[in-house]
Amino acid sequence: GNSVTQMEGPVTLSEEAFLTINCTYTATGYPSLFWYVQYPGEGLQLLLKATKADDKGSNKGFEATYRKETTSFHLEKGSVQVSDSAVYFCALVYNQGGKLIFGQGTELSVKP
Amino acid sequence: GAVVSQHPSRVICKSGTSVKIECRSLDFQATTMFWYRQFPKKSLMLMATSNEGSKATYEQGVEKDKFLINHASLTLSTLTVTSAHPEDSSFYICSARGLAGPYEQYFGPGTRLTVT
Repeated sequence: GNSVTQMEGPVTLSEEAFLTINCTYTATGYPSLFWYVQYPGEGLQLLLKATKADDKGSNKGFEATYRKETTSFHLEKGSVQVSDSAVYFCALVYNQGGKLIFGQGTELSVKP
Repeated sequence: GAVVSQHPSRVICKSGTSVKIECRSLDFQATTMFWYRQFPKKSLMLMATSNEGSKATYEQGVEKDKFLINHASLTLSTLTVTSAHPEDSSFYICSARGLAGPYEQYFGPGTRLTVT
């Protein structure tokens, strides 16, 4: 079945460090891929998305590229800030109207 | 745009009582709404999918008589936890999907339910 696997957290970084959170997926077709962010005590916010292979989603300095050959959608940011501390969820939706399938989430903690 | 609200944000109720949580799409019509449950430091667990004007579709293992879902209009869905017990304490999050951008779901801020 379709699934999403993220690197385990927590990830602890110093401010201005480079961030990578790995995400790989298993799907029988060509899903759309998403990164959501959840700040403490809040719901999820869409961070970025990509709907087809080689698409790059970007927002707020974060980027992720849809790699069909490696079935990956790794999240990167060149210089993290304390305010980026949150839980990040990778997700896919397989077909129009389908359900979101989430990874287990990766907690990021950025220290000043 | 694409704002989803939930009410209440926090609720404490006594064991055996029922509690209703509202999910509203504020600036778009939500043809489909989803209800999730999230345990501490865990991912989201989909409970059910509701389409306006029809019965909700529950995921395996979710008791439909305990978690009543009503999607009466294109902007409102409600989740009622009936005869709540302490093990129902959790963070409940709804999301909504509209006619535009069918792949995207917009999430509410969540409701923290504590059953004493």
